[in-house]
Amino acid sequence: DQQVKQNSPSLSVQEGRISILNCDYTNSMFDYFLWYKKYPAEGPTFLISISSIKDKNEDGRFTVFLNKSAKHLSLHIVPSQPGDSAVYFCAARGSQGNLIFGKGTKLSVKP
Amino acid sequence: GAGVSQTPSNKVTEKGKYVELRCDPISGHTALYWYRQSLGQGPEFLIYFQGTGAADDSGLPNDRFFAVRPEGSVSTLKIQRTERGDSAVYLCASSLTPSGATGELFFGEGSRLTVL
Repeated sequence: DQQVKQNSPSLSVQEGRISILNCDYTNSMFDYFLWYKKYPAEGPTFLISISSIKDKNEDGRFTVFLNKSAKHLSLHIVPSQPGDSAVYFCAARGSQGNLIFGKGTKLSVKP
Repeated sequence: GAGVSQTPSNKVTEKGKYVELRCDPISGHTALYWYRQSLGQGPEFLIYFQGTGAADDSGLPNDRFFAVRPEGSVSTLKIQRTERGDSAVYLCASSLTPSGATGELFFGEGSRLTVL
């Protein structure tokens, strides 16, 4: 039983358009949600996070939206760039500070 | 170094052998985590250290897996009697405190283990 779910294994977007990556979770006790980006043969790198008491956090081209009633969050990238092509992981923070990850969504941004 | 360092980056071993994977966290980070990532999956939590002690080892799959952090800095993940199913990328992460302001963990590049 996955606590963090990313139901789309892949997403393809044209350069300049918006990319929307989705994530659902089951545990209402999570206090922070994070997005990580991963290139092949590298470790995951932190992208953006949101506290469970907020509904939106923005950082440049990246915005994360949290809908607590639906237990759903999304990452918006606009405008998308070819360098954004990577695997994006949604994660939720557990009680010990450990992160629980989804399976990831592979984003391809085509020039 | 500035980031989390993991060695070796690649390890190929035979079924039944013993393996050690090392993690050198960011200097001053008291919290250290081990994760395992199998193909097509997200990172899966294994164990968490706060200082020298294992605060949560609930993710270790069985007693063939063990980890230590004797001086509260470098950590070693030890796998006994390796099996083919242990093949994965083993990721180490650290943070300044277990409940940092943004929840961010800093990851190393991982150690890719292949068991033949």
